[in-house]
Amino acid sequence: RKEVEQDPGPFNVPEGATVAFNCTYSNSASQSFFWYRQDCRKEPKLLMSVYSSGNEDGRFTAQLNRASQYISLLIRDSKLSDSATYLCVVNEGGKLIFGQGTELSVKP
Amino acid sequence: NAGVTQTPKFRILKIGQSMTLQCAQDMNHNYMYWYRQDPGMGLKLIYYSVGAGITDKGEVPNGYNVSRSTTEDFPLRLELAAPSQTSVYFCASSQRSTGLYEQYFGPGTRLTVT
Repeated sequence: RKEVEQDPGPFNVPEGATVAFNCTYSNSASQSFFWYRQDCRKEPKLLMSVYSSGNEDGRFTAQLNRASQYISLLIRDSKLSDSATYLCVVNEGGKLIFGQGTELSVKP
Repeated sequence: NAGVTQTPKFRILKIGQSMTLQCAQDMNHNYMYWYRQDPGMGLKLIYYSVGAGITDKGEVPNGYNVSRSTTEDFPLRLELAAPSQTSVYFCASSQRSTGLYEQYFGPGTRLTVT
């Protein structure tokens, strides 16, 4: 079983759509959780941290379920500029473990 | 601040050649990391450092070496390049390693070994 596993994608959605990405992690001792965004052929950049109580940043909402070892990212009112690969990332003992990423393509 | 810088941006190596990928950060971060990313895959940790003079292996260290003589610089050395080392290499740094923190990545080095 992969340490961090994401929906395989790609997701192709129209502008204005709501899209949800799912991620599961295998180590119940994982300490903290993040979503990173990676544009084509660019470096990853932190999108948002994921808190146990769930957190929102504008159109983006992240949820964590420690009991199910499950993380989600919801994007509302998708924009063309949201097209990218979204990486689920888990902190295990100070090391980041990356999922393989889910590609999102938002079309006009 | 330039953040995290990497050189070169691109490189083609022949099998058996060696090279050093350079990484520098100007944020005074103690923690630095080297990752590789193969097509369609997540990033894999090669080596990391928690401060000058201290390095440790990550998930995929074979075929690589690192050194950390200063806080700013963290070069990655490839000895005897192999086609399996064809990848995109990212260097990153962070202020700390625990809790809610952010890793800042350099723009990457695209390496092809033929």
